[in-house]
Amino acid sequence: NAGVTQTPKFQVLKTGQSMTLQCAQDMNHEYMSWYRQDPGMGLRLIHYSVGAGITDQGEVPNGYNVSRSTTEDFPLRLLSAAPSQTSVYFCASSPRQGWDGYTFGSGTRLTVV
Amino acid sequence: RKEVEQDPGPFNVPEGATVAFNCTYSNSASQSFFWYRQDCRKEPKLLMSVYSSGNEDGRFTAQLNRASQYISLLIRDSKLSDSATYLCVVNDMRFGAGTRLTVKP
Repeated sequence: NAGVTQTPKFQVLKTGQSMTLQCAQDMNHEYMSWYRQDPGMGLRLIHYSVGAGITDQGEVPNGYNVSRSTTEDFPLRLLSAAPSQTSVYFCASSPRQGWDGYTFGSGTRLTVV
Repeated sequence: RKEVEQDPGPFNVPEGATVAFNCTYSNSASQSFFWYRQDCRKEPKLLMSVYSSGNEDGRFTAQLNRASQYISLLIRDSKLSDSATYLCVVNDMRFGAGTRLTVKP
């Protein structure tokens, strides 16, 4: 049972490049979300999805897009990378929003130069 | 005021000590609460849920005070392996910034 799988684990981008962070879960969870974690800031919610075909913005959505075409996958797209997007990105899933606790992926460490 | 606030610490305690963390929240309508543990450069992992009646899991006790809008985590008989950052979260997906705990021999 893999849980939540994130790829890649590390990435370096140049300013202006675009890329997609992958997230997949095999637990049939309806709820999935993306967070970024910066020193001293805790985890901040970027986007979330309560089910296939449904996405919504979190507290820091600017510069990121998401889609949820299947229950299993929830990719995060950086449209035009900026140094301010240097961070650790975590994907999380839960059977239901807010009630069951989240299972996190191991994270993607992104550096934008 | 931030939606979820935690004392960042660090808390430095000797092995065997009892230590407590608090986490305050601003949304009085919040319904579910959790404590997570995060080791350095790792993902957060669910430690325990926080129920209205309080709950205990071994050396760990979590409590909810709705009137004052805070949750607490008590760790008894601290172990070296308890060294980590402890994050609280409320059901509107808001995480606290975390409280760092270091248990020393």
